[in-house]
Amino acid sequence: ILNVEQSPQSLHVQEGDSTNFTCSFPSSNFYALHWYRWETAKSPEALFVMTLNGDEKKKGRISATLNTKEGYSYLYIKGSQPEDSATYLCASDNGSSNTGKLIFGQGTTLQVKP
Amino acid sequence: NAGVMQNPRHLVRRRGQEARLRCSPMKGHSHVYWYRQLPEEGLKFMVYLQKENIIDESGMPKERFSAEFPKEGPSILRIQQVVRGDSAAYFCASSPSRVQRHSNQPQHFGDGTRLSIL
Repeated sequence: ILNVEQSPQSLHVQEGDSTNFTCSFPSSNFYALHWYRWETAKSPEALFVMTLNGDEKKKGRISATLNTKEGYSYLYIKGSQPEDSATYLCASDNGSSNTGKLIFGQGTTLQVKP
Repeated sequence: NAGVMQNPRHLVRRRGQEARLRCSPMKGHSHVYWYRQLPEEGLKFMVYLQKENIIDESGMPKERFSAEFPKEGPSILRIQQVVRGDSAAYFCASSPSRVQRHSNQPQHFGDGTRLSIL
């Protein structure tokens, strides 16, 4: 069974705080690690796709790192804003069937208070 | 550039009826994935299709569920004789090509269909 785990499950921060979440995934036969941002009643929005050990990606105030040897990725948000409030999903593609199907974690729900 | 379009957004069915969920992938995308989110759970893979082919249906329940992606028209997820446990949000995602190792292309998601069974 391939499990993707995310922590914490939820997070409440004040506007301006920086924060980070963790995603752990099976490191065997790794293909890619995806991060999505998901607002209520909308579709998951792709943030990053990370493929190589040591990858670091950045999009505005959001960045992510990847360690494929130990099977974890961190997502960082610098200076959180209320509009960052959403659920952040990570998903692993372990190439088990070479189809690109993703195994999702349960998500980290971030609430940023103004 | 239209994104992934799913319809209907909400669907209500009585037990025993059929539910048909439609997904039109992004323009230029020929690969479709269906995922399901049961209440209080995360997104779970159901099926992966290319035009006229089911490539991986390892996440589909063995009975009552089927999917197709015809040469023309949207992909359809069909649930026959629905039961209360089928109540969930069903999401479709598309990609332009088959994923290769170390490919950095994301899957693009639709807004989902919320299925409620009375």
